Amino acid sequence: QKEVEQNSGPLSVPEGAIASLNCTYSDRGSQSFFWYRQYSGKSPELIMFIYSNGDKEDGRFTAQLNKASQYVSLLIRDSQPSDSATYLCAVMGRNAGGTSYGKLTFGQGTILTVHP
Amino acid sequence: DARVTQTPRHKVTEMGQEVTMRCQPILGHNTVFWYRQTMMQGLELLAYFRNRAPLDDSGMPKDRFSAEMPDATLATLKIQPSEPRDSAVYFCASGLLLGVEQFFGPGTRLTVL
Repeated sequence: QKEVEQNSGPLSVPEGAIASLNCTYSDRGSQSFFWYRQYSGKSPELIMFIYSNGDKEDGRFTAQLNKASQYVSLLIRDSQPSDSATYLCAVMGRNAGGTSYGKLTFGQGTILTVHP
Repeated sequence: DARVTQTPRHKVTEMGQEVTMRCQPILGHNTVFWYRQTMMQGLELLAYFRNRAPLDDSGMPKDRFSAEMPDATLATLKIQPSEPRDSAVYFCASGLLLGVEQFFGPGTRLTVL
């Protein structure tokens, strides 16, 4: 089992719809969870992070975390063609200040296409 | 505009040759990461430095890869000898120890023939 798994995709949604991206992780002690966006040929950029169970909203983006189910999701409301990219889920190790702190494990990514 | 810079942006070389990739982290950042990205494996961590000290290089093939930080403004990743399976995009990222975000450089696209 991979440490971080994402829904395989690709995911195609019409403009204005809600895109739902999902991620599960295997290390129950993981503390921090990140969503990166990567446009084709570009480097990853952080769009959301979440530490606590529940929802976190930032503009059109909502991250949801359920530590009991070891599940993280990203919702994109009112999807735009400019949201078309690969979305990477990343999980940070548990030991604050320890050797694993700051170290991210990435999922394979989900390709999202928003069509007009 | 603070950015992570990487050189070269593209490198084509023949199997067996030495390849050196360089990274300049954002000034003041004390953690540096080297990642490799391929279609098959996705984004994998190769090495991780904190305050210039190597903290974790378990993701690197030790026999051919080496990573160093000669000073706070330069990180290097060296492959010797290179093999076709090393073809990938290599990203450097930097951040603050207690910070949230890792800032990625533009990457070096390596092709080994």
